[in-house]
Amino acid sequence: DAGVIQSPRHEVTEMGQEVTLRCKPISGHNSLFWYRQTMMRGLELLIYFNNNVPIDDSGMPEDRFSAKMPNASFSTLKIQPSEPRDSAVYFCASSFSAGGQETQYFGPGTRLLVL
Amino acid sequence: GNSVTQMEGPVTLSEEAFLTINCTYTATGYPSLFWYVQYPGEGLQLLLKATKADDKGSNKGFEATYRKETTSFHLEKGSVQVSDSAVYFCALTINQAGTALIFGKGTTLSVSS
Repeated sequence: DAGVIQSPRHEVTEMGQEVTLRCKPISGHNSLFWYRQTMMRGLELLIYFNNNVPIDDSGMPEDRFSAKMPNASFSTLKIQPSEPRDSAVYFCASSFSAGGQETQYFGPGTRLLVL
Repeated sequence: GNSVTQMEGPVTLSEEAFLTINCTYTATGYPSLFWYVQYPGEGLQLLLKATKADDKGSNKGFEATYRKETTSFHLEKGSVQVSDSAVYFCALTINQAGTALIFGKGTTLSVSS
């Protein structure tokens, strides 16, 4: 089992550039979550999908952030334009929904630095 | 609303000491409770979970009991090792399919030999 796969693992970019983070969930899982982790704010949910449909995007900071899940095996989180305050570790997690008791499996994260 | 409160860290212990990390929660309904662990440079991994009152989750010598009367889910280990040094997150979900985890702020544990 490959687990949740995220790419890239590290990204350094300049302010104003577009950044795309990618996630491949565990095969068979039907829920996918994007989280952001910073020292100041801890772990925050950005958005989650159930059966490829966005369920709650209230955590998305602003219009510069967008997420898509075109199929069950792939999701992207895009930041355009990026700003230094977007620097953080972005985690993708997936689970098989079974009444809310399911375990979420996390990817290794993408460490983003915006200069 | 739903929230999780963990004790502030860092927690610094010597090897073989007893560990307690406090966690309390506020939730509508009957949540499931989790402890996740994050080792340096890695993603989060499930350590243990409990899905109903009085359940005890356990793994790798760690234990936590779901206490509905005190809305708590404290993490304990009888004898910590240097390899237990990590950040520990308490979390809950409301028992609806596909709902997200609500995390505490995390507690850093540092164990020295």
